[in-house]
Amino acid sequence: QKEVEQNSGPLSVPEGAIASLNCTYSDRGSQSFFWYRQYSGKSPELIMFIYSNGDKEDGRFTAQLNKASQYVSLLIRDSQPSDSATYLCAVKKGKTGNQFYFGTGTSLTVIP
Amino acid sequence: EAQVTQNPRYLITVTGKKLTVTCSQNMNHEYMSWYRQDPGLGLRQIYYSMNVEVTDKGDVPEGYKVSRKEKRNFPLILESPSPNQTSLYFCASSLSRLYTEAFFGQGTRLTVV
Repeated sequence: QKEVEQNSGPLSVPEGAIASLNCTYSDRGSQSFFWYRQYSGKSPELIMFIYSNGDKEDGRFTAQLNKASQYVSLLIRDSQPSDSATYLCAVKKGKTGNQFYFGTGTSLTVIP
Repeated sequence: EAQVTQNPRYLITVTGKKLTVTCSQNMNHEYMSWYRQDPGLGLRQIYYSMNVEVTDKGDVPEGYKVSRKEKRNFPLILESPSPNQTSLYFCASSLSRLYTEAFFGQGTRLTVV
């Protein structure tokens, strides 16, 4: 069983719509959760992190965490063509150490 | 400019020939790590370092070595590269209190033939 699972997509949404990206993780002991964006041929960029159950908003982005369901999501409001990229979910396990596990990513295309 | 610099960006080598990929950051970050990225497998952590002289294994450390003698540098060493180590490699760094991969280098595409 993979530590972090994401639907690879591709996910296509029209410009201005809400894009919803989902991620599940296997270890209930996971402490911290992250979303990264990776444009084709580029390195990952950190978008958001979330540690507590509930929602966390940053501009057009909202991260949602449900530890009981072992589920993390990222909502992108008012999607723009520049949001077209692969979105990576990552999970940090345990309170000590820094072992990170990434999902394989969901490819998002925003259609003008 | 704050950055993580990897060298080389591209490398083609032969099986068994030792190589080093360098990683340097100019942000005085305590935490650094190495990843490889492969199609269908995503980013997988190789090694990480919480500070100078403190390193630990990630998910896929076999066939790799690291050292952290200075805070700014975290080289990745392949003592005897094999074709299954052909991959895209990323170095990352952050302040330890963030406990996250905040800054990634540009990547090193390694091909072992």
